[in-house]
Amino acid sequence: GQNIDQPTEMTATEGAIVQINCTYQTSGFNGLFWYQQHAGEAPTFLSYNVLDGLEEKGRFSSFLSRSKGYSYLLLKELQMKDSASYLCAVSGPGSGNTPLVFGKGTRLSVIA
Amino acid sequence: GAGVSQSPSNKVTEKGKDVELRCDPISGHTALYWYRQSLGQGLEFLIYFQGNSAPDKSGLPSDRFSAERTGGSVSTLTIQRTQQEDSAVYLCASSLTGDEKLFFGSGTQLSVL
Repeated sequence: GQNIDQPTEMTATEGAIVQINCTYQTSGFNGLFWYQQHAGEAPTFLSYNVLDGLEEKGRFSSFLSRSKGYSYLLLKELQMKDSASYLCAVSGPGSGNTPLVFGKGTRLSVIA
Repeated sequence: GAGVSQSPSNKVTEKGKDVELRCDPISGHTALYWYRQSLGQGLEFLIYFQGNSAPDKSGLPSDRFSAERTGGSVSTLTIQRTQQEDSAVYLCASSLTGDEKLFFGSGTQLSVL
């Protein structure tokens, strides 16, 4: 089975940096996804990590440590529009279109 | 289409009635997934289609839930004899073969009174 943990809620200030952590225990692992979901909207893809290390994409970066079962999403220069839920999801075991297993999401509130 | 389309966007029904939820995936996406999202809960996997067949139905919570996909495109999720605990947002997603990156629809908000 798979177990994914991430904080339920976080609050950060506009312009600041926030790190959202995700830990997982899985019976098989291909890679880790981060999705953003604004209230009442569809989740949208942010990042995908397969190898250890940091992947940077503009204001957003995602880190993975496979040996530790740990990932984080780093958001820099926070903007009010970044207020949303951030979903950590694990793929695997198996190959191809294995259904993703999602954590419960972290609701981020950005305040002025 | 440009994105994954789901209908209806909202559905209110009475306990015991049957409901059908529809999903139109992105054109050319062979894989289609149904998830359920309840308040305060994560996305719960229900069923996955590769083409018209469903290799993984492990997430369907009871035999009241069923799904089909025809023509490798549109999928319908049917819930029979709805119960109040079925109230949730039902999300559909699609992806290309061999690609685990999912594209989600906006979901159907189901409310069972």
